[in-house]
Amino acid sequence: AQKVTQAQTEISVVEKEDVTLDCVYETRDTTYYLFWYKQPPSGELVFLIRRNSFDEQNEISGRYSWNFQKSTSSFNFTITASQVVDSAVYFCALRWDNQGGKLIFGQGTELSVKP
Amino acid sequence: DVKVTQSSRYLVKRTGEKVFLECVQDMDHENMFWYRQDPGLGLRLIYFSYDVKMKEKGDIPEGYSVSREKKERFSLILESASTNQTSMYLCASSARGRVGIANFGDGTRLSIL
Repeated sequence: AQKVTQAQTEISVVEKEDVTLDCVYETRDTTYYLFWYKQPPSGELVFLIRRNSFDEQNEISGRYSWNFQKSTSSFNFTITASQVVDSAVYFCALRWDNQGGKLIFGQGTELSVKP
Repeated sequence: DVKVTQSSRYLVKRTGEKVFLECVQDMDHENMFWYRQDPGLGLRLIYFSYDVKMKEKGDIPEGYSVSREKKERFSLILESASTNQTSMYLCASSARGRVGIANFGDGTRLSIL
């Protein structure tokens, strides 16, 4: 079965703290893609990153970084020096091969960054 | 500015009514999707469409139907609304070649009384 688990329902940090959002996935397929989306209070989900199963290199984009580890089936997302504008719900998602555009989403983690 | 537009931000309907949620995208995307979002459950796929007049069931299609008569428009229909369909509904579209990278609308918060 394909599944994505985000065990952290809510996280609250103070501005400038680093924060890591956890994502654990399950799939039997060898070819799959992992994603992170951000949902700010306005409601519209915004794509952040896509990773395919053959590329385990970590990625950094400004204050955002992603750690993909196939050995633990995890795709964690770290925000360095968090800011109030990072407050949002973050979703991890999985798409396995031959499923077109279908995504399986985790439950989401609500991040609150306080000034 | 490319966009996925959902016809209503908030909608209140009564049990038993037939409800239409409309979604329009201006990016010429082949794929369109309807999700519902509930606390603690994340997003769950209701229906999706790979092309005009094509539709496929997602994970929770019961009680819903869809229509895609034109490429840019994907409608979600609640045939006979029930209170357990009170939820946030999100429409998304994606280009065929861009695996999993979707543009989402702002959502429609639907309340069934």
